[in-house]
Amino acid sequence: SVLLYQKPNRDICQSGTSLKIQCVADSQVVSMFWYQQFQEQSLMLMATANEGSEATYESGFTKDKFPISRPNLTFSTLTVNNARPGDSSIYFCSSSGTGGNYEQYFGPGTRLTVL
Amino acid sequence: QQQVRQSPQSLTVWEGETAILNCSYEDSTFNYFPWYQQFPGEGPALLISISSVSDKKEDGRFTIFFNKREKKLSLHITDSQPGDSATYFCAASVNTGNYKYVFGAGTRLKVIA
Repeated sequence: SVLLYQKPNRDICQSGTSLKIQCVADSQVVSMFWYQQFQEQSLMLMATANEGSEATYESGFTKDKFPISRPNLTFSTLTVNNARPGDSSIYFCSSSGTGGNYEQYFGPGTRLTVL
Repeated sequence: QQQVRQSPQSLTVWEGETAILNCSYEDSTFNYFPWYQQFPGEGPALLISISSVSDKKEDGRFTIFFNKREKKLSLHITDSQPGDSATYFCAASVNTGNYKYVFGAGTRLKVIA
């Protein structure tokens, strides 16, 4: 399995500001992802973080609003630009495993509240 | 379009009973189905998974039954314990190497002692 760490674990920000969420894996992984989860709802895939290149975004998510970087095989950051109250949710990073299977492992999440 | 559906939305069972959580999907190209357990305030944790070449996968008290023809699967939790109280998510993906998952809406399980 893969252990993922996220920082911060929670944040409160004002509307219009930007914040950055960091994700670190304890080993090199092929794929990293970012998910959004609203209170007591399902997980929605936001984007695939690609090493050394632009992230691949799912419908409804854009790079201008949620820029993602992945400089190496263990690290990724998600930025929330021009935060709005509707962005208040939990953001999870996840990664593929290291054994060539199709398992995904999730970080503990970052709970964001936008005032 | 919701590609992965879960039922019931919530389920309450007594300690020791078997909890049955259902999942169905629409896309016939899905061939890998993990189940995740999520406790409040935590990230989802991989519980058990099955590929479409199998019709059953067992791990301790947790068993997945898979019906490819009907595009349905279920998670059975035998001898349910209060510590099993959590939200369970069924997910689906296509094993093409991109690892992209589609999650269901989840089933909130409560086990009463």
